[in-house]
Amino acid sequence: QKEVEQNSGPLSVPEGAIASLNCTYSDRGSQSFFWYRQYSGKSPELIMSIYSNGDKEDGRFTAQLNKASQYVSLLIRDSQPSDSATYLCAVTPPGSTLGRLYFGRGTQLTVWP
Amino acid sequence: ETGVTQTPRHLVMGMTNKKSLKCEQHLGHNAMYWYKQSAKKPLELMFVYNFKEQTENNSVPSRFSPECPNSSHLFLHLHTLQPEDSALYLCASSQDLRTGWQSGRAYEQYFGPGTRLTVT
Repeated sequence: QKEVEQNSGPLSVPEGAIASLNCTYSDRGSQSFFWYRQYSGKSPELIMSIYSNGDKEDGRFTAQLNKASQYVSLLIRDSQPSDSATYLCAVTPPGSTLGRLYFGRGTQLTVWP
Repeated sequence: ETGVTQTPRHLVMGMTNKKSLKCEQHLGHNAMYWYKQSAKKPLELMFVYNFKEQTENNSVPSRFSPECPNSSHLFLHLHTLQPEDSALYLCASSQDLRTGWQSGRAYEQYFGPGTRLTVT
């Protein structure tokens, strides 16, 4: 069983702060990584994908990938109460398996005004 | 309609009933997925279809029967379910899997709103 580990939280930050969400994965050969946001009672919404080591920025979101350490993170700058949700990390395993995506249990983020 | 749609949004069924979940994607994708999300558990892949062909069956019990008549539609036929099958069932779609893996990258998956299933 491939493992994707996330701190379940809850992570609580004040409005305007930087929220840092972390994810580790067990399969060293993984190549594709995704962050999803899921509001309570809703379906997951894609925030960002990252495939190469380093940082990838999209608006207030920055994904960071370190394959050597098997670690991917998501930074949310200038956090807003509307960012309060569960954030899911997802990883695809290497090899010929098509479409398989392993999800972590998610980190619950609360941004308080 | 845009994105990925699912019907019904809520379903209550008895253990002896037969029902079907429907998913339709309006994104021009060729791969479609069924996931199960239970409380306190990670999202769990059930089935994957690429160009109507099933490429993944994640050891799903036979009481769940998928059908993919074309790249835009996906069904999940349900029969003789158990109470522990109560969950949120999510459909997703992505671009063609094979071209993605040829490049060494998996395509992003986009989810529908889900069907909240309760088995009584």
